[in-house]
Amino acid sequence: GQNIDQPTEMTATEGAIVQINCTYQTSGFNGLFWYQQHAGEAPTFLSYNVLDGLEEKGRFSSFLSRSKGYSYLLLKELQMKDSASYLCAVRVIYGGATNKLIFGTGTLLAVQP
Amino acid sequence: IAGITQAPTSQILAAGRRMTLRCTQDMRHNAMYWYRQDLGLGLRLIHYSNTAGTTGKGEVPDGYSVSRANTDDFPLTLASAVPSQTSVYFCASSLRQGGNEQFFGPGTRLTVL
Repeated sequence: GQNIDQPTEMTATEGAIVQINCTYQTSGFNGLFWYQQHAGEAPTFLSYNVLDGLEEKGRFSSFLSRSKGYSYLLLKELQMKDSASYLCAVRVIYGGATNKLIFGTGTLLAVQP
Repeated sequence: IAGITQAPTSQILAAGRRMTLRCTQDMRHNAMYWYRQDLGLGLRLIHYSNTAGTTGKGEVPDGYSVSRANTDDFPLTLASAVPSQTSVYFCASSLRQGGNEQFFGPGTRLTVL
C-alpha cells in the first residue's frame, strides 16, 4: 500500500528554525512535494524533490533521501504568517504511465511570538 | 486574471439531490484533478483528466462523475448526494499529467444533510 506519515502538530517560535519530517512507503516513487495551506484556503506549492539532496528556496528548504523514504521541510527565520498546515505529497506512477499525488494528512505549524 | 476558479464557494444540500461543482482554469493546463479534503484524512483524489476528452478514477471515485469536454472546464457531479460526501472539494490543474506543480482552486465547502 501507499503510506505517508508526518507529525500532526508542531509549535515553534518566531525567528527560529523548524524542521517538519515526512516518511513514506510507496511504490512507483516519482518525486516528493511540499505544499503550504493556510486555514480556509487552497494548498499552494512550496517545493519539489526528485533526486536525493537539499533544495533551497529562500527561507524554505526541502531534503529528500529516497533510500530511507524520508524528506523534511526546513523553515528558517520563522514569521507569524508561516502558521499553516504543511502537506507532504508523493508522486507515484501507476498503470505504466499515469502519475498521481498521494498526500499526507498535513502538519499544523503554530508560530508563537 | 490567470488562475483556477470554483463555484459555488459553499453549498448546503439535502441528501438525495444532484449537485454539480464547477471548475474552470484559464492557464491552458492539460491536466485537471478533483480532490476532497477531510479532517484527519488529508487530500484524496476523486477523479482526474490528463487532457480534454479523457478522464480517470482516483482513490475515492464512488458517487462522483466528471466530464472534460474542453481544456478549461472540469465539472464534478454528485448524482445523489449522501451525508458522507460532506467535505471541502478542491479542483487543481497542472500543465501536463504528472506535472511538477499543481495549482489549486479556492475550494467548495459542501454540506449534505
